Order: sequence, then C-alpha cells, then structure tokens
Amino acid sequence: EADIYQTPRYLVIGTGKKITLECSQTMGHDKMYWYQQDPGMELHLIHYSYGVNSTEKGDLSSESTVSRIRTEHFPLTLESARPSHTSQYLCASSPTSGSLYEQFFGPGTRLTVL
Amino acid sequence: SQQGEEDPQALSIQEGENATMNCSYKTSINNLQWYRQNSGRGLVHLILIRSNEREKHSGRLRVTLDTSKKSSSLLITASRAADTASYFCAIRAGANSKLTFGKGITLSVRP
Repeated sequence: EADIYQTPRYLVIGTGKKITLECSQTMGHDKMYWYQQDPGMELHLIHYSYGVNSTEKGDLSSESTVSRIRTEHFPLTLESARPSHTSQYLCASSPTSGSLYEQFFGPGTRLTVL
Repeated sequence: SQQGEEDPQALSIQEGENATMNCSYKTSINNLQWYRQNSGRGLVHLILIRSNEREKHSGRLRVTLDTSKKSSSLLITASRAADTASYFCAIRAGANSKLTFGKGITLSVRP
C-alpha cells in the first residue's frame, strides 16, 4: 500500500455546504494530482501540482479549488457543494525525476451531495 | 484525444483461465502503464512499458506493446478470484506529459 492518505473516505452532505477533502503523502513526492472518477470508472484529472505554491487546472473543468502550502498536503475544497459534485475523488502523487515514474493513489473519497 | 481505450469493457472468465485485455491509443507515447483498481479503492500500479520495449513480464502479468498499431495488451495467466478488479491503461505521450487514463476494463474471475 502506498503512503498516501485521504480523508474522509465517505462523505454525505447537503447542497450548499463547504467541504474540504484532505490528501496527504509521506513519500516526499513533489507532484500531486486530483482525479474525479465517474460511476462508469473513467478518471478525469481536475487539478495537479508540481510543488509547493504550484497548482494547475486539469483536463476536466471543476468548480473545486486546491492549495499546496506544504509538500505533503494537497487539499481540495468545494465552496458550495451541489448534487452534480457527487462522485469519487482520487488523490495521487508521483516523484519528480524522469518520465518513467508511476503514480501512487490514495483510497479515494466518495462524495454524495443531497 | 490521447486517451487510451481499453477493450473489452468487461470480461468474465473462470479461475485458472488466462485474461487478455487490450488498450489502443492515438498519439505517439513515451510510455504506457497498467493499473488495477479494486472496488472502492484507489489505483495500484502494475507495470510500465517504455515505447522502445515490446514485452515485459511481472509475475503472472505479461504486457506487450506494438507502437506501429498503437496498442498494448495485458495478459494475466492462471487467473485467480482475487484478480477480480478493474484494469486501466494510462499513456504518457511525452517525457513531461501528464498520464492520461482509459475508461477501464472490469474483470470478473469466477471461482
């Protein structure tokens, strides 16, 4: 198992609530990613970071925001959750050097917005 | 799209049989990776094959890559019920490109 953690694992909240999904890794990786996974399994990259104070939007537009103040921590925030945000959110990290690196994934957060 | 596309979408086999899953893509690649996802969990890296490699082995896994056909296959030999999971291919188009994942294949291995 990779040393990358996500909390909470499951979250059920009402519309309009502000939520933060936590992601932490203890591998010292510079690169971190957030993916949204549809019920049909396809992964969509929504945010990534190549280091502290570096964040970029991914391929899929998302109303969420991220921050990277510490290397090990990459939280994702939704200011006002809506039912359309219901999904599985996966955090991943990878080392920086070279192109022959794998990504290490956390266990995911399954979010349901009522 | 650079995205890898797996085939078939779902596969059901008997324990002990071999499982073959295919991935096709549209661009040139730096490397291709296969991942596994158990239900309700994150993805786990299985194997990486570089664009200049044609075949790699890891335990019961064998991956082939045909860059002329822009396709890869993952073979799991002597499958076990514990191999039941979703399998994803992911491509890295360039050395500094992000990984792009396919839609995944659901493998069910019946005991």
